[in-house]
Amino acid sequence: AQSVTQPDIHITVSEGASLELRCNYSYGATPYLFWYVQSPGQGLQLLLKYFSGDTLVQGIKGFEAEFKRSQSSFNLRKPSVHWSDAAEYFCAVGAASSNTGKLIFGQGTTLQVKP
Amino acid sequence: EPEVTQTPSHQVTQMGQEVILRCVPISNHLYFYWYRQILGQKVEFLVSFYNNEISEKSEIFDDQFSVERPDGSNFTLKIRSTKLEDSAMYFCASSVVDYRETQYFGPGTRLLVL
Repeated sequence: AQSVTQPDIHITVSEGASLELRCNYSYGATPYLFWYVQSPGQGLQLLLKYFSGDTLVQGIKGFEAEFKRSQSSFNLRKPSVHWSDAAEYFCAVGAASSNTGKLIFGQGTTLQVKP
Repeated sequence: EPEVTQTPSHQVTQMGQEVILRCVPISNHLYFYWYRQILGQKVEFLVSFYNNEISEKSEIFDDQFSVERPDGSNFTLKIRSTKLEDSAMYFCASSVVDYRETQYFGPGTRLLVL
């Protein structure tokens, strides 16, 4: 069955420090992979996505993620975190074999940024 | 920038009552979705809708749920007889044409069933 695991429910980093949020997926076919961010009271905003090609993808707000097929991972990184990055982050997988757009989400990682 | 909007932002209802959650997708989008997130749990797919019919639905989306695009702008989720376990945040999303395009999410409707 398709699944997405975000092992870290809550992460705290200091402002200016680097960040890595982990995401592992289980999916038999070629996955489409996404990272979304949700700020309080807001909808889910797409940070970046991977469909094919270069396994290192760049997103908005200085985020990047690397697809590692051998590890079934799609970890999100940022070299220097800003206080405004505090939010909840969701990894999601879509099925390349599907034509319906269904996304499977991880449970989310809450990021807290210390001044 | 165009946004997906949802109304109401919060709704409280009694168990057994019908609720309709409303969404206005981005105007040129053709794929529409509903997801929900029970407090403390994952965001779960409910249903996708394209060309005026359901493309896919999850096991959660039973006979108590229905979706409709009553006009050219709204997309609704109806729960006929709410249960306590329907309490959740419900997100609407839309995408342009192809299912592989970015899904744009609304801010959600928090439903509380008492």
